[in-house]
Amino acid sequence: QVQLQQSGPGLVKPSQTLSLTCAISGDSVSNNNTTWDWIRQSPSRGLEWLGRTYYRSKWYNDYARSVRSRITINPDTSKNQFSLQLNSVTPEDTAVYYCARVFQTATYAKWFDPWGQGTLVTVSS
Amino acid sequence: QSVLTQPPSASGTPGQRVTISCSGGNFNIGRNAVNWFQQLPGTAPKLLIYRNDQRPSGVPDRFSASKSGTSASLAISGLQSEDEAYYYCAAWDDRLNGCLFGTGTEVTVL
Repeated sequence: QVQLQQSGPGLVKPSQTLSLTCAISGDSVSNNNTTWDWIRQSPSRGLEWLGRTYYRSKWYNDYARSVRSRITINPDTSKNQFSLQLNSVTPEDTAVYYCARVFQTATYAKWFDPWGQGTLVTVSS
Repeated sequence: QSVLTQPPSASGTPGQRVTISCSGGNFNIGRNAVNWFQQLPGTAPKLLIYRNDQRPSGVPDRFSASKSGTSASLAISGLQSEDEAYYYCAAWDDRLNGCLFGTGTEVTVL
């Protein structure tokens, strides 16, 4: 059974960097059939996909246009986990952040399962 | 288009059938499989349907889904009080190269 365990601070000051980690058990961050994604949820923006990292002979990343200039998602193979960094945060970045595994059987068929438990991150001074 | 459109709410009495729609476009639902998620208060979304109409193990067969063109729908038959939750659709968007989520539908059991 795959499980994802999130960790990281729940309060970040404006202009600083939001950093979260997602530890994987029951699967490998290097699995060629998966991607490892971050999603956030807020009342104003709903569920918003932020980006992903994945391994296909080498590491790749894709990021949402809304955060592309500020986001980095990195794998850590030694600890079998992946991380999210979001720079220059503002109160608009206040949300519950989730990590998720995306399993893929074909280019058109992807699904998010499981999800991490979620981390409420508040951006405030 | 940056979201998939769902009705904000749906309701029914116990035992009834409720249907939720999800409207998208050619680059997302039109080309890619649709997922459905159930979210109970204070918890993470849970996969309910994958590849348009497939149920993961453990999901009751009261939940069914379909896709046609650029729209999809989720049906809950034999509605139960434990089905009160938010439901979201999702699909990959080839033009954005990212995932789009639906606006969410709150299901209430009357």
